[in-house]
Amino acid sequence: GIQVEQSPPDLILQEGANSTLRCNFSDSVNNLQWFHQNPWGQLINLFYIPSGTKQNGRLSATTVATERYSLLYISSSQTTDSGVYFCAVEQFGNEKLTFGTGTRLTIIP
Amino acid sequence: DAGITQSPRHKVTETGTPVTLRCHQTENHRYMYWYRQDPGHGLRLIHYSYGVKDTDKGEVSDGYSVSRSKTEDFLLTLESATSSQTSVYFCAIGGGGEQYFGPGTRLTVT
Repeated sequence: GIQVEQSPPDLILQEGANSTLRCNFSDSVNNLQWFHQNPWGQLINLFYIPSGTKQNGRLSATTVATERYSLLYISSSQTTDSGVYFCAVEQFGNEKLTFGTGTRLTIIP
Repeated sequence: DAGITQSPRHKVTETGTPVTLRCHQTENHRYMYWYRQDPGHGLRLIHYSYGVKDTDKGEVSDGYSVSRSKTEDFLLTLESATSSQTSVYFCAIGGGGEQYFGPGTRLTVT
């Protein structure tokens, strides 16, 4: 099956810093989503981005489907950004998501 | 927030007992999913449903069964719980686009 790799696995930053999280996938995909799992365990939808670039406040994401990667940018980090960020992909004709193992982000005040 | 609820939210049970987790949606989505989340593995698909009484296996289906008798409800059953099934279980809805996740159920099998 498709492999989804996220990097880095862990990231510790000072409040106010910027960060880039990466998601690589091993085959063509139909859909790609980014999620934030907060410290209480809730999974929050950030972006649905099979291709192109989207922005939502301090967060933005870019997917280059032809090169099989996606990037999540977080600017001016806040402590509430802490948690685990997951990338998940769906292949053509397959209504199922395959998740990466996540990037754990810790923002220090 | 997508209208997804899970019950119970927490459960402790003994090895060998049957357990049923419930997922309920108010969004009328065709697809519903059960995932489990374990340290070091991210989320892995257990079973999914593409309509009433239509279900299929996911990546880690052994030891689990599911049923969907109504559009809004998707049940996950552990026929005889084992310690390896201690996990956090998430339900999701979607299909043809984004998936949305419920709040999760923390299950401990002692």
